[in-house]
Amino acid sequence: DAKTTQPTSMDCAEGRAANLPCNHSTISGNEYVYWYRQIHSQGPQYIIHGLKNNETNEMASLIITEDRKSSTLILPHATLRDTAVYYCIVRPSNTGNQFYFGTGTSLTVIP
Amino acid sequence: DSGVTQTPKHLITATGQRVTLRCSPRSGDLSVYWYQQSLDQGLQFLIQYYNGEERAKGNILERFSAQQFPDLHSELNLSSLELGDSALYFCASSSSGLAGDYTGELFFGEGSRLTVL
Repeated sequence: DAKTTQPTSMDCAEGRAANLPCNHSTISGNEYVYWYRQIHSQGPQYIIHGLKNNETNEMASLIITEDRKSSTLILPHATLRDTAVYYCIVRPSNTGNQFYFGTGTSLTVIP
Repeated sequence: DSGVTQTPKHLITATGQRVTLRCSPRSGDLSVYWYQQSLDQGLQFLIQYYNGEERAKGNILERFSAQQFPDLHSELNLSSLELGDSALYFCASSSSGLAGDYTGELFFGEGSRLTVL
């Protein structure tokens, strides 16, 4: 399985963009990058996913480098409610639909 | 609201006991996944069922078992409980689950918090 590396923690000022990096240098060509977040012991929440192209939805944008070895999740205008642990996950191509969560990045949005 | 329902929300029991956690997936979802989250282990994948059949196993102990019923709800049975089994247990569902099917993200319930004393 492709492994991911994320910073343990990050701070972001309220109203500013939060840029959360993820390294997945061993990703295979048909593996997707998914982002989830978990707000204080609640169930993890799907944010966005992508394969090669950059993606945007109502929650965030996902920027994937051309070589696909890293990606960045962007929360354009962080609010206090965005304080959470953010997980970058590479979904294996040969084991069905399981998601393996790493340790994630603990994002704190500061007033 | 993800549409995934888990019961009970909280459960306190003693070592050596057995408990059953229940999960109702989103309407129409065929896959159910169980995850364990303890303080020192993060989110650990336990087991996946797809349309009643076991699809994949992760770090599930032999004392734990699960099943998915014809109505697609699932139960996770934890037996001979130990202090270290205290954790949040999450259920998730997805519309897909077969290898090569990339269409579905997981929708998580709010979890069942198990405390073993």
